[in-house]
Amino acid sequence: DGGITQSPKYLFRKEGQNVTLSCEQNLNHDAMYWYRQDPGQGLRLIYYSQIVNDFQKGDIAEGYSVSREKKESFPLTVTSAQKNPTAFYLCASSISRTDNTEAFFGQGTRLTVV
Amino acid sequence: QKEVEQNSGPLSVPEGAIASLNCTYSDRGSQSFFWYRQYSGKSPELIMFIYSNGDKEDGRFTAQLNKASQYVSLLIRDSQPSDSATYLCAVNSYYSGNTPLVFGKGTRLSVIA
Repeated sequence: DGGITQSPKYLFRKEGQNVTLSCEQNLNHDAMYWYRQDPGQGLRLIYYSQIVNDFQKGDIAEGYSVSREKKESFPLTVTSAQKNPTAFYLCASSISRTDNTEAFFGQGTRLTVV
Repeated sequence: QKEVEQNSGPLSVPEGAIASLNCTYSDRGSQSFFWYRQYSGKSPELIMFIYSNGDKEDGRFTAQLNKASQYVSLLIRDSQPSDSATYLCAVNSYYSGNTPLVFGKGTRLSVIA
């Protein structure tokens, strides 16, 4: 089945630790995105990538890093510089077509600082 | 800063009624508009998209777009308890499939049986 897979579903991070969230898609989509969602809030854009080996900062990129070495993969690292990382992280992808612009989401990773 | 505004709710409607969800956006150049449904603890799933002014119907759902007023709405007819969720409005400023959507904060809908 085609889709977007995020792992793990739940992740616990200790203070000062870096953690990496995985996002893989087999939809052959060109663009991939990372959003953060806090309780009662909408989705805020962290980073996005339109092509392999290129990515752009979103509205809240500080304390996060990404890579796009393969079309299928767009991992997100939450660094120790991110002071309030507890949130629901959503990865999405979309195809580069002018008649089909919606984004499809993975099931999300819930990150908690312990 | 491109903004998408929604009433946070909760919007409560009785089962079988019409639920009306509204959204306004700040970027007059926005080209495509989406409604996502998000159940608690789950990821958003696409319900409807609309690109042109007017109405677009899909089953019990109707999306309405008025670009002059920078307003998009979602009507849910014959509301069911299973429709209880948060509805996210999203806007793309480019008519292209590889640019990020800007999301509103969502409206929480509660359908009372």
